[in-house]
Amino acid sequence: DSGVTQTPKHLITATGQRVTLRCSPRSGDLSVYWYQQSLDQGLQFLIQYYNGEERAKGNILERFSAQQFPDLHSELNLSSLELGDSALYFCASSATTSGRTGELFFGEGSRLTVL
Amino acid sequence: DAKTTQPNSMESNEEEPVHLPCNHSTISGTDYIHWYRQLPSQGPEYVIHGLTSNVNNRMASLAIAEDRKSSTLILHRATLRDAAVYYCILRMEYGNKLVFGAGTILRVKS
Repeated sequence: DSGVTQTPKHLITATGQRVTLRCSPRSGDLSVYWYQQSLDQGLQFLIQYYNGEERAKGNILERFSAQQFPDLHSELNLSSLELGDSALYFCASSATTSGRTGELFFGEGSRLTVL
Repeated sequence: DAKTTQPNSMESNEEEPVHLPCNHSTISGTDYIHWYRQLPSQGPEYVIHGLTSNVNNRMASLAIAEDRKSSTLILHRATLRDAAVYYCILRMEYGNKLVFGAGTILRVKS
């Protein structure tokens, strides 16, 4: 158990809909990362927050947005869903953003299926 | 982000050591070498990381070349549970994102 909690574990929805994925980081971790993993793209970095502020952005679509709340939990909002958005979405947390010490702890993922 | 190159797949026998190579010829002086692995149907998990010196922990050892242009993750006795995708990643000391490549699929035969 990594200590990172993601909900829901599975989600099935239709094209054009909007969903919200939630992540609770490990206790005390200030940094939250979101990743998308699909069969043909591998693990793609989406976005990172540190203590409520956006710190780094990857290949996140404009239809997607995220935020980190004062209690440090984070939400990833996916809108106008397309079939290609079907994927596993992972959240990770770390205490720091340093490459020297910043081990990332990953949740079990939220599997999104868009029909 | 500096790039890493890993073999697509490797195979090992159970109970034998496994050496997983990684090339990172464009590594900079402040890049740390991180290894993560992803078991089937799970999120990635941290394995080990280092800067210049070889590192050991309960999961594995990391051997870093003197010029830091390559490194090797060593699993001393592979078990079936070690079958996973292993990712070698460079991360700056003050970096933010962690960027995954394609990784190496390790298959362990009993």
